[in-house]
Amino acid sequence: ELKVEQNPLFLSMQEGKNYTIYCNYSTTSDRLYWYRQDPGKSLESLFVLLSNGAVKQEGRLMASLDTKARLSTLHITAAVHDLSATYFCAVDYGGATNKLIFGTGTLLAVQP
Amino acid sequence: DAGVTQSPTHLIKTRGQHVTLRCSPISGHKSVSWYQQVLGQGPQFIFQYYEKEERGRGNFPDRFSARQFPNYSSELNVNALLLGDSALYLCASSLLRGQQFFGPGTRLTVL
Repeated sequence: ELKVEQNPLFLSMQEGKNYTIYCNYSTTSDRLYWYRQDPGKSLESLFVLLSNGAVKQEGRLMASLDTKARLSTLHITAAVHDLSATYFCAVDYGGATNKLIFGTGTLLAVQP
Repeated sequence: DAGVTQSPTHLIKTRGQHVTLRCSPISGHKSVSWYQQVLGQGPQFIFQYYEKEERGRGNFPDRFSARQFPNYSSELNVNALLLGDSALYLCASSLLRGQQFFGPGTRLTVL
């Protein structure tokens, strides 16, 4: 059964610092997604990673995918308070369904 | 274009009652998936429907059911509500496979 683990679960950062969130998954998948969720809100799509070695960047966030290691990373550069949110990775279960298996989430708090 | 819409926004029910949640997908999307997100956890897959047929079912009891209509909108029904059913219910629309776009969610509280 596909399992998705994220670490850390909670991350407190100072503004201006860099950090990386890790997403490990247990079985082969060819699609991985990163979402952002603000408190009480829905999921906002950040990145879609479709192949080994894929790298996507948007502003201060950069995501990468290593399908051989079954690992994706979300790198935060020079964090700002507006990035405070919960970040989820989600792995496509594959097969005939469009089922996503979500990680546990990483709560990011950026302190001024 | 309008995004995914869900109704109602919030709902309070008591144990044993029944609830119906509604979702309208993005225009052109024929697939609707439902997820349950309990506070502090990641969303869990409940169902996927495509062209009015069930394409996938998660590990949820038979109290949970869904259907999709000819206009591709969808309903999620939950019978005999339990306290543990309190959660944010998210609907996502997509093409058959590929990126899913999530609606604002319905917050269900069971007392």
